[in-house]
Amino acid sequence: EPEVTQTPSHQVTQMGQEVILRCVPISNHLYFYWYRQILGQKVEFLVSFYNNEISEKSEIFDDQFSVERPDGSNFTLKIRSTKLEDSAMYFCASLGQRNTGELFFGEGSRLTVL
Amino acid sequence: EDKVVQSPLSLVVHEGDTVTLNCSYEVTNFRSLLWYKQEKKAPTFLFMLTSSGIEKKSGRLSSILDKKELSSILNITATQTGDSAIYLCAVRHSGGGADGLTFGKGTHLIIQP
Repeated sequence: EPEVTQTPSHQVTQMGQEVILRCVPISNHLYFYWYRQILGQKVEFLVSFYNNEISEKSEIFDDQFSVERPDGSNFTLKIRSTKLEDSAMYFCASLGQRNTGELFFGEGSRLTVL
Repeated sequence: EDKVVQSPLSLVVHEGDTVTLNCSYEVTNFRSLLWYKQEKKAPTFLFMLTSSGIEKKSGRLSSILDKKELSSILNITATQTGDSAIYLCAVRHSGGGADGLTFGKGTHLIIQP
């Protein structure tokens, strides 16, 4: 069964360091997303990506965040200078067709900022 | 502000009981409502609802959407300990991020043996 894969599963970093979270979406999917979930809180939308550009982003997705699809398979989320409040589980998701079906989520990358 | 509200936030029942989880929404240009089950990490898809009044069923789980009341319920009959999870309601709407989703806080369901 096709799945979304994410690496690393857990990353611990020092405040101010750059972090890159990687995702491999389902191969024939066209729409890609990053969500985050701070411990004990709800899943929050960060950004959506289609046709090699950002479609929409939330207020959370400030200048410290960036996404790219460098090689046609990986979809990455970069946090330039991590803050304590960036500690969360980050989920990548992909969608095959707009307005149909559900988002498929990866297992998540847990980021801990010390 | 677009929002999705789930109730109750937590629920503890005994195995064999039937539970009903609620989700209400206030969004711009509603498109669909989805239910997910989150056990340890990634949310896994349960149902997608777009039409009012049509029940979707999968085994002991069923769900229905009421567009007039802007709400949905998720029913689980004959609950088992494996049903213990956080159940997430999410709404796809315009402004939800190019077909992304706005999530509720979830209902934490605990099934006691």
